[in-house]
Amino acid sequence: DAGVTQSPTHLIKTRGQQVTLRCSPKSGHDTVSWYQQALGQGPQFIFQYYEEEERQRGNFPDRFSGHQYPNYSSELNVNALLLGDSALYLCASQQSSGGGENQPQHFGDGTRLSIL
Amino acid sequence: AQSVAQPEDQVNVAEGNPLTVKCTYSVSGNPYLFWYVQYPNRGLQFLLKYITGDNLVKGSYGFEAEFNKSQTSFHLKKPSALVSDSALYFCAVRDVAGNNRKLIWGLGTSLAVNP
Repeated sequence: DAGVTQSPTHLIKTRGQQVTLRCSPKSGHDTVSWYQQALGQGPQFIFQYYEEEERQRGNFPDRFSGHQYPNYSSELNVNALLLGDSALYLCASQQSSGGGENQPQHFGDGTRLSIL
Repeated sequence: AQSVAQPEDQVNVAEGNPLTVKCTYSVSGNPYLFWYVQYPNRGLQFLLKYITGDNLVKGSYGFEAEFNKSQTSFHLKKPSALVSDSALYFCAVRDVAGNNRKLIWGLGTSLAVNP
C-alpha cells in the first residue's frame, strides 16, 4: 500500500517563475493538506482540499493556489516566485469522511524548492 | 489565538536513559494534540495523539505522552532512549472550536541520543 507520494523531489526555479508541485494521497484518503516548512522551522499550513474544494486556508498570499482532482490527488501552484518561497513543501493526506478527521495526517517526503 | 511552544531547541540524552521532549499549547476550545518525528530529508511520521479519554497515551516506537490540562502541556516521553531515536520532533495542536481543521505546529526539538 503506497503512502503519500510527492513529485518532484527537488526543484530549482528563479524569481518570478511559476511552479506546480504534485501529491498523490495514501490509498483510501480523501483529504489533502499542504504545508511549507522553511529550514529550521515547523510546518506552516497553506491550505486543505476536500471534495475538490479548498476547505480551509492558512496565512498565505493568493500566489499560492491549489487543486484537487476527482481521484483525490492534488497540486500546489505558486506564481511569481520569491526568494522567500524556498522551502520544503509537504503534502499530507487523511480520510475525513466517516469520522476520520481526528485521525493523524500521513505525510509525503516533500518537494525541496530552491529559488535562485 | 492557537499556539504551540516547544521550549527546547535541542535535547541531549545518553542511550538507555529516559527522555522528555516538552510541549505546551494554547487553544480556545478543546485541543487535539499530536506528536510527529522527522528524520533528515523526510516527511513527518506520526507518533501518537490525544483526542479524549486517558491522559496517558502510548504511541509508536515505545513513545508515550501525558496530557495535562491544568498545565496545558503534552510532553513526549520514552523510558529508555535509543541512538536511532535521534531526530527532529514536532508537537502539533488542533483547536476543535469553530470546526477548525488547521494543525498548528511547534518549531521542533532536535533530539540527540548519545551512545
